[in-house]
Amino acid sequence: GQNIDQPTEMTATEGAIVQINCTYQTSGFNGLFWYQQHAGEAPTFLSYNVLDGLEEKGRFSSFLSRSKGYSYLLLKELQMKDSASYLCAVSSSGGSYIPTFGRGTSLIVHP
Amino acid sequence: EPEVTQTPSHQVTQMGQEVILRCVPISNHLYFYWYRQILGQKVEFLVSFYNNEISEKSEIFDDQFSVERPDGSNFTLKIRSTKLEDSAMYFCASGTGDSNQPQHFGDGTRLSIL
Repeated sequence: GQNIDQPTEMTATEGAIVQINCTYQTSGFNGLFWYQQHAGEAPTFLSYNVLDGLEEKGRFSSFLSRSKGYSYLLLKELQMKDSASYLCAVSSSGGSYIPTFGRGTSLIVHP
Repeated sequence: EPEVTQTPSHQVTQMGQEVILRCVPISNHLYFYWYRQILGQKVEFLVSFYNNEISEKSEIFDDQFSVERPDGSNFTLKIRSTKLEDSAMYFCASGTGDSNQPQHFGDGTRLSIL
């Protein structure tokens, strides 16, 4: 099976940097996704990591360490609109690429 | 940019009734999915569909559920004999099936069972 852990909630200040961690245990690994989900809306894709290291995409970066079963999503220059839930999802290599989602981290950005 | 569309956006149904949730996946995608998200909980996989048949399903997807691709564009989820605990947001998604490509989600149907 798969187990994915994320903090339930985080708060940060507009303009600051925040790091959202995700740890996972999975039988086989085929990649890790980060999605953003605003309340009542669909998840939208942010990033994908399959190799160790940092992937940067504008204000958002995602890091992966496969040996540690660890990833983080880094959000820079926070804006109020970044208040959302951030979902870590892991794809296993057991014949299925369907990702398993964590419970998500609710990020609250305040002025 | 092409998108996945779902109808209706909100469905209210009496317990015991049948509901059909509809989705139009992105046209060049070959894999289709249904997910469920109970309020305040995580997104849960229900079923994937490829080449006109179910390719994978979760423990949640029991005999109460069925999926169909009735024509070249629609993908439906049918829930029979609905129960109160079926109340949730149901997301349709589509994708290319490549492991490094994300699934694209529709805006969801909020199903409320009374």
